[in-house]
Amino acid sequence: GENVEQHPSTLSVQEGDSAVIKCTYSDSASNYFPWYKQELGKRPQLIIDIRSNVGEKKDQRIAVTLNKTAKHFSLHITETQPEDSAVYFCAARQAGTALIFGKGTTLSVSS
Amino acid sequence: DAGVIQSPRHEVTEMGQEVTLRCKPISGHNSLFWYRQTMMRGLELLIYFNNNVPIDDSGMPEDRFSAKMPNASFSTLKIQPSEPRDSAVYFCASSLPPEPQHFGDGTRLSIL
Repeated sequence: GENVEQHPSTLSVQEGDSAVIKCTYSDSASNYFPWYKQELGKRPQLIIDIRSNVGEKKDQRIAVTLNKTAKHFSLHITETQPEDSAVYFCAARQAGTALIFGKGTTLSVSS
Repeated sequence: DAGVIQSPRHEVTEMGQEVTLRCKPISGHNSLFWYRQTMMRGLELLIYFNNNVPIDDSGMPEDRFSAKMPNASFSTLKIQPSEPRDSAVYFCASSLPPEPQHFGDGTRLSIL
């Protein structure tokens, strides 16, 4: 089955800096890669996703890149703000299956 | 839409007791997922259903765990008998593929 590795487990940045979180997946049949943000005590919420027919997707300060050959994808947050502090999860799945999640990255943005 | 609804939000019980967690998916979604979240193991997939049929239950820890989906608007996850190591936050999620999964607010379970 699918296995998703996520790095780093913790990330501390200064407000205004960029943050990058990286994930690798094992199943070459996976074709959907979302990113979820989870604030303390709350549910994971989708912030951006990408499908395997696209190499990059951007939404304001957030972007995701996908390298199918290397089986890795990354989340990029620019101009970080304190409210970006949360746990971020990457995930992967192939059609008709469930999302398999990475272990999460705790992002701390200090002002 | 009210989103995915889980109950109870919090459950504290003694080991050996039966625990039942409940989930109402978003109307129209035909896929439902149960996840368990702990600090050590992250978000683990326990089981998922498509059109009320269990598709993959390989993540269910052991025979003490069981899940049912009697109709398109209701699912239960049952633990019997419960043990302290079952303490975790249990999330239910639903989707209408290929759309993303939407999570409920979770049930925080504490087994004493």
